Amino acid sequence: DVKVTQSSRYLVKRTGEKVFLECVQDMDHENMFWYRQDPGLGLRLIYFSYDVKMKEKGDIPEGYSVSREKKERFSLILESASTNQTSMYLCASNLATRGDIRYTFGSGTRLTVV
Amino acid sequence: AQKVTQAQTEISVVEKEDVTLDCVYETRDTTYYLFWYKQPPSGELVFLIRRNSFDEQNEISGRYSWNFQKSTSSFNFTITASQVVDSAVYFCALIGDNNDMRFGAGTRLTVKP
Repeated sequence: DVKVTQSSRYLVKRTGEKVFLECVQDMDHENMFWYRQDPGLGLRLIYFSYDVKMKEKGDIPEGYSVSREKKERFSLILESASTNQTSMYLCASNLATRGDIRYTFGSGTRLTVV
Repeated sequence: AQKVTQAQTEISVVEKEDVTLDCVYETRDTTYYLFWYKQPPSGELVFLIRRNSFDEQNEISGRYSWNFQKSTSSFNFTITASQVVDSAVYFCALIGDNNDMRFGAGTRLTVKP
């Protein structure tokens, strides 16, 4: 079964800490995505990557950065965590070919910044 | 730019009622894909359906049906004879030419026994 794995289900960090959220997929997908989910706002795209070492800004990239050194791993980095980054973070991946456009999502990481 | 609007924030129905979740989208792309996802309390996103922009046929799967109308840019989702297990947040989403998915804000459906 294809899988997207997010390393932590729950995370509590202090304001100002540097935070790494890790995502690994085992499907050899080219594309990977990071979303945050907030009540009443749905899922909003933070960053995405079409290939190793490539990254594109989504709709809300401020306060975040990403790293994709290997095809299977896409990391979301909060350089200096703030309380307004408390949220559910979802990682997803899909193939580059439009014949299989469906996304596979991870289970999510609920981050609380105190 | 792509945009998906789910105007209904919350809906509450009694079991066995039919319920329709609305989805309106905006895109300038001629080729695009529309999706519905279910997010139960466990939090995982469950894929329900995908339609491409060239296929306006409505679809029925058990108690679920989808009505895609390009003329009104809508992709509505109906649950017939709702059940308590249908309680969840439902998201409509769109992928255009650039292959990144945009979601609506979601509709929280509560089905009461």
